[in-house]
Amino acid sequence: QKEVEQNSGPLSVPEGAIASLNCTYSDRGSQSFFWYRQYSGKSPELIMSIYSNGDKEDGRFTAQLNKASQYVSLLIRDSQPSDSATYLCAVRAGTYKYIFGTGTRLKVLA
Amino acid sequence: NAGVMQNPRHLVRRRGQEARLRCSPMKGHSHVYWYRQLPEEGLKFMVYLQKENIIDESGMPKERFSAEFPKEGPSILRIQQVVRGDSAAYFCASSATGGRLAEAFFGQGTRLTVV
Repeated sequence: QKEVEQNSGPLSVPEGAIASLNCTYSDRGSQSFFWYRQYSGKSPELIMSIYSNGDKEDGRFTAQLNKASQYVSLLIRDSQPSDSATYLCAVRAGTYKYIFGTGTRLKVLA
Repeated sequence: NAGVMQNPRHLVRRRGQEARLRCSPMKGHSHVYWYRQLPEEGLKFMVYLQKENIIDESGMPKERFSAEFPKEGPSILRIQQVVRGDSAAYFCASSATGGRLAEAFFGQGTRLTVV
């Protein structure tokens, strides 16, 4: 079982819709969770961090964490074509290195 | 406020040569993480360093690869006797602390091509 799992996609949504990206993790001791966005050929960019169960909102982005289900998600409201990218879920545990999923490719259709 | 700086951005090496990748963390950051990324793949953890210490090197091959983060100067990822399979993008990230709430920020990466 991979430490951090994401559906590779592509996830296609129409412009203006809500995009829902999901991530599961295997280490119950994980304490910190992050979402990064990576455009093709570029470096990962931190979007959100979440540490406690529940929702955390920042602009059009909402991160949701459920530690009991070992599940973290990212919602993007009013999706724009510029949101088209690969979204990486990262989890921090153990020695506090960041472990990444393989990413979900999002396509927002104009 | 400069972000994480990596150099060179592109590096071409012949098989058998050495590659040295440099990473200067963000100002005030003392924790550095190195990752490797192949095309269409995720980020593979290699090594986590704090100033003068290796915290976790569980993702780094035992042979040919080494990393350091000296008291002064950038972190260096060194690959000896490179092979074609080492061709990848190598990213460095830094965080201010090693604590639970620390957020890591990435540099622009070094694209290594072995010919």
